Amino acid sequence: SQTIHQWPATLVQPVGSPLSLECTVEGTSNPNLYWYRQAAGRGLQLLFYSVGIGQISSEVPQNLSASRPQDRQFILSSKKLLLSDSGFYLCAWSQSGTLADTQYFGPGTRLTVL
Amino acid sequence: AQSVSQHNHHVILSEAASLELGCNYSYGGTVNLFWYVQYPGQHLQLLLKYFSGDPLVKGIKGFEAEFIKSKFSFNLRKPSVQWSDTAEYFCAVNEGGYQKVTFGIGTKLQVIP
Repeated sequence: SQTIHQWPATLVQPVGSPLSLECTVEGTSNPNLYWYRQAAGRGLQLLFYSVGIGQISSEVPQNLSASRPQDRQFILSSKKLLLSDSGFYLCAWSQSGTLADTQYFGPGTRLTVL
Repeated sequence: AQSVSQHNHHVILSEAASLELGCNYSYGGTVNLFWYVQYPGQHLQLLLKYFSGDPLVKGIKGFEAEFIKSKFSFNLRKPSVQWSDTAEYFCAVNEGGYQKVTFGIGTKLQVIP
């Protein structure tokens, strides 16, 4: 069966510090991968998605970036965090092919920027 | 651009009450529709989905949703809620010509015993 992992589960970082959140998927190959930010009253905001290694699509211009160094690894990064980057970050995967299929979500990372 | 509207942001019901959560989308072409649920402390997970065929879709835990194309709606229903249905519910849509699924802002359901 497939599983998705995210770490860390919680993170407190000062403004201006770098960020690296990691997501890995097991039990499937060539998945579509997604990063979302979930904020109260704003739902799920798609940040990045990837259909393959090294292929990243950005949905929202901001100081975050994403990379996919391996088939089942998706990393969310920032060089300098802003207060507004605080939130709950979710990674998800779906079967390769269409992006319009069921997504499977990880446990999330709670990021607090102080 | 595709968009999804969930009209009820916070709903409070007593156990055994009937539930209907509204979801409307903005595109008139072919759509794939989803409801996801996030129980307290758990991962966001699929509740049900509609791709084609019977517009009345049955999901897990007694939930159902009806796709009404003329109303651009995909409302979620359950005839009798339980305390364990307390969760946040998200409607999502993929519209023809777009590759991504767009999520609504979510509805928090609180069921009072």
